[in-house]
Amino acid sequence: EAQVTQNPRYLITVTGKKLTVTCSQNMNHEYMSWYRQDPGLGLRQIYYSMNVEVTDKGDVPEGYKVSRKEKRNFPLILESPSPNQTSLYFCASSLGQGRQPQHFGDGTRLSIL
Amino acid sequence: GENVEQHPSTLSVQEGDSAVIKCTYSDSASNYFPWYKQELGKRPQLIIDIRSNVGEKKDQRIAVTLNKTAKHFSLHITETQPEDSAVYFCAASSNLPGANSKLTFGKGITLSVRP
Repeated sequence: EAQVTQNPRYLITVTGKKLTVTCSQNMNHEYMSWYRQDPGLGLRQIYYSMNVEVTDKGDVPEGYKVSRKEKRNFPLILESPSPNQTSLYFCASSLGQGRQPQHFGDGTRLSIL
Repeated sequence: GENVEQHPSTLSVQEGDSAVIKCTYSDSASNYFPWYKQELGKRPQLIIDIRSNVGEKKDQRIAVTLNKTAKHFSLHITETQPEDSAVYFCAASSNLPGANSKLTFGKGITLSVRP
């Protein structure tokens, strides 16, 4: 089954404790991205990757890091999480950037205390 | 960069009536316009998309229209049902040479269908 898998689905943690949210897709998609969703603000792109070892900033990259060492995986790293990073996070993948439908994961709800 | 706006932010309709959700975009280079539906607690899912070489596209009870001159596109849902209640996101992007083909989302509209 074609899917984008995120882990964990839920996480409550404390300020400053490094965390990683994993994302994996099994569709051999080149393009992957991370979004955060906050009430009234819609989906805002954090980082994206057009292929292995190619990543770039989206609209709200501050406080986040990503890596793309393999085509299927695109982890999101919060080196020193802060309460303003409490949000619902979605990973997505597509064949290419822009004109391809994005396939979203089920989301990760992060709470930073 | 591209700016996508959705109006209104909430919409309530009676079951069986039609619903129209409008989006405007700012970048005339945008040529791909998808619509995503997000049910409560679920992930966004593509329901329909349109490319700039056509003015309208239909899929059963759902249709999307595009007005490139005015830079707006709309989602039309006919014979609404309670299961149409969700948040709907529009988006826009361009794949023209030299354009930043990032997909930009609107803030979303909450559609409520009253039984």
